[in-house]
Amino acid sequence: DAKTTQPNSMESNEEEPVHLPCNHSTISGTDYIHWYRQLPSQGPEYVIHGLTSNVNNRMASLAIAEDRKSSTLILHRATLRDAAVYYCILRDRNAGNMLTFGGGTRLMVKP
Amino acid sequence: GAVVSQHPSRVICKSGTSVKIECRSLDFQATTMFWYRQFPKQSLMLMATSNEGSKATYEQGVEKDKFLINHASLTLSTLTVTSAHPEDSSFYICSARDNVGGAHGYTFGSGTRLTVV
Repeated sequence: DAKTTQPNSMESNEEEPVHLPCNHSTISGTDYIHWYRQLPSQGPEYVIHGLTSNVNNRMASLAIAEDRKSSTLILHRATLRDAAVYYCILRDRNAGNMLTFGGGTRLMVKP
Repeated sequence: GAVVSQHPSRVICKSGTSVKIECRSLDFQATTMFWYRQFPKQSLMLMATSNEGSKATYEQGVEKDKFLINHASLTLSTLTVTSAHPEDSSFYICSARDNVGGAHGYTFGSGTRLTVV
């Protein structure tokens, strides 16, 4: 699976929107973009995924660049419970089943 | 939605003993489960892929005789850390592919924190 690059950490204020960037310049046409997050001492949980079009769900929005070489996870109103490590992962729908985790972005939310 | 139950959540064992960690898919069948290990301040590292009814596939550098994986049913995979040593202390996390839940389909357990003393 192609590699992703994320900032190591970001800070946000509570109740404000957060934009978490992810670069994936070597993405292939069959790669899905997945976002998972991991709260302290927990297993990762699914946030959102997409292929080409922007996606919205109850947790977040995913904005995908037109060339697909980058994407942004958007939390519309950060809460203290959103403090976690956010992982951007590419998964080739035609390849093996596992998810390969990079370093992720540690999001800190200030009250 | 899909739920993966992992047990125990925390275990402390003496050096030289073995520890078994269970991973169950509660409301779906999982022919494939994955085992990850996570050291403090680091990301998840895939250890092995567990296949129901067949041998697990281990990632490079992971000792298959030390980390025994059994996937005897469609809802249960177990990881046994044999002859544990302090350097095996880590956070172990399992994951299962939920073929019912859609394209994202990966559900993770809540993890097992292993401390070897």
